[in-house]
Amino acid sequence: GDSVTQMEGPVTLSEEAFLTINCTYTATGYPSLFWYVQYPGEGLQLLLKATKADDKGSNKGFEATYRKETTSFHLEKGSVQVSDSAVYFCALSNTGNQFYFGTGTSLTVIP
Amino acid sequence: ETGVTQSPTHLIKTRGQQVTLRCSSQSGHNTVSWYQQALGQGPQFIFQYYREEENGRGNFPPRFSGLQFPNYSSELNVNALELDDSALYLCASSRDSGQGIYEQYFGPGTRLTVT
Repeated sequence: GDSVTQMEGPVTLSEEAFLTINCTYTATGYPSLFWYVQYPGEGLQLLLKATKADDKGSNKGFEATYRKETTSFHLEKGSVQVSDSAVYFCALSNTGNQFYFGTGTSLTVIP
Repeated sequence: ETGVTQSPTHLIKTRGQQVTLRCSSQSGHNTVSWYQQALGQGPQFIFQYYREEENGRGNFPPRFSGLQFPNYSSELNVNALELDDSALYLCASSRDSGQGIYEQYFGPGTRLTVT
């Protein structure tokens, strides 16, 4: 079945450091891929998405490229801020609207 | 544009009881999905409702049931509560764009504790 595997955390970085959170997926067909972010005590917010191979999703300085050959969708940011501290979820959706989420990666950015 | 809202925010129930959680979808959205998020885990798909009909179900037992109303709001009902049902329950709405894959917008969740 469809599934997402995320890099395990927690991740702690200093402000302005480079961030990579790895995500790989298993899916039939051609899923759409997403990154969601969850701030403490809140629901999930869509961060970015990519709907086909080689697409790059980007938002708020975060980027992720849909790599079909490596079945990956790694999240990157060149310079993290304290306000980026949150839990990040990689997700995929194939047909039928059902989303499959990874287990989440907790990021803490220290000043 | 009003976002997805859920009620109540927190709930404490006793094992064996029944619970109803409510969700109002974002304006213009006709599809609602429910997820269970255990502590430290990613959300797990429970089921989805589209035009008042169940439109897909995850690996949850029949004691998890739902409804969608003509205004696209939705309820999640859980009977015979078990301790393992303690979790954050998330509702997500989306709009049928006709393109197959729809962005989901999440509510803040209902924190259910079963004692």
